[in-house]
Amino acid sequence: AQSVTQLDSQVPVFEEAPVELRCNYSSSVSVYLFWYVQYPNQGLQLLLKYLSGSTLVESINGFEAEFNKSQTSFHLRKPSVHISDTAEYFCAVSDGYSSASKIIFGSGTRLSIRP
Amino acid sequence: EAGVTQFPSHSVIEKGQTVTLRCDPISGHDNLYWYRRVMGKEIKFLLHFVKESKQDESGMPNNRFLAERTGGTYSTLKVQPAELEDSGVYFCASSTRMNTEAFFGQGTRLTVV
Repeated sequence: AQSVTQLDSQVPVFEEAPVELRCNYSSSVSVYLFWYVQYPNQGLQLLLKYLSGSTLVESINGFEAEFNKSQTSFHLRKPSVHISDTAEYFCAVSDGYSSASKIIFGSGTRLSIRP
Repeated sequence: EAGVTQFPSHSVIEKGQTVTLRCDPISGHDNLYWYRRVMGKEIKFLLHFVKESKQDESGMPNNRFLAERTGGTYSTLKVQPAELEDSGVYFCASSTRMNTEAFFGQGTRLTVV
């Protein structure tokens, strides 16, 4: 069975500081990996995803995540955060190769940005 | 193109009452999922439809929960009778058959008092 662990429930950082949100997963098969974001009073939105190919994936707003198979990790990073990045971030995994696949989520990391 | 829509956005009901949540997926998406998030915990999988068939309902808490997807279009999730521990945010998501991305609705916040 697949599972996702987000060790940090809350991460406070100062504006313009770098941030890393950690995600580790377990799976017995090849996986698709996702980061979803939920801004205040909004629904879940896909931030970025890894399906295959390059292990480094980027979002349009400056986040990046690297798939590390040996460490079973998919940490999310941003070199300089902005107030608008305040949100809750969810790491997720699926074995997307079968029609029976489903997406399994971590418990979320709440990112708070201090001015 | 319309996204995934859920109705209602909020619902407050008394313990023992019945509530029905509705999800309209993106047109043409075969896969439809229901998830629930309780009190800041993980977003927990409830069940998965492929068209009108239940592919996986291993996450359904108990037989007070009934999900349907008649005709393979919209889906309903009925809770009868509701209990206090059923409170939470219920998310619906849909995806294409390739399943490379799930699109989520805004969620329904259910409060059982």
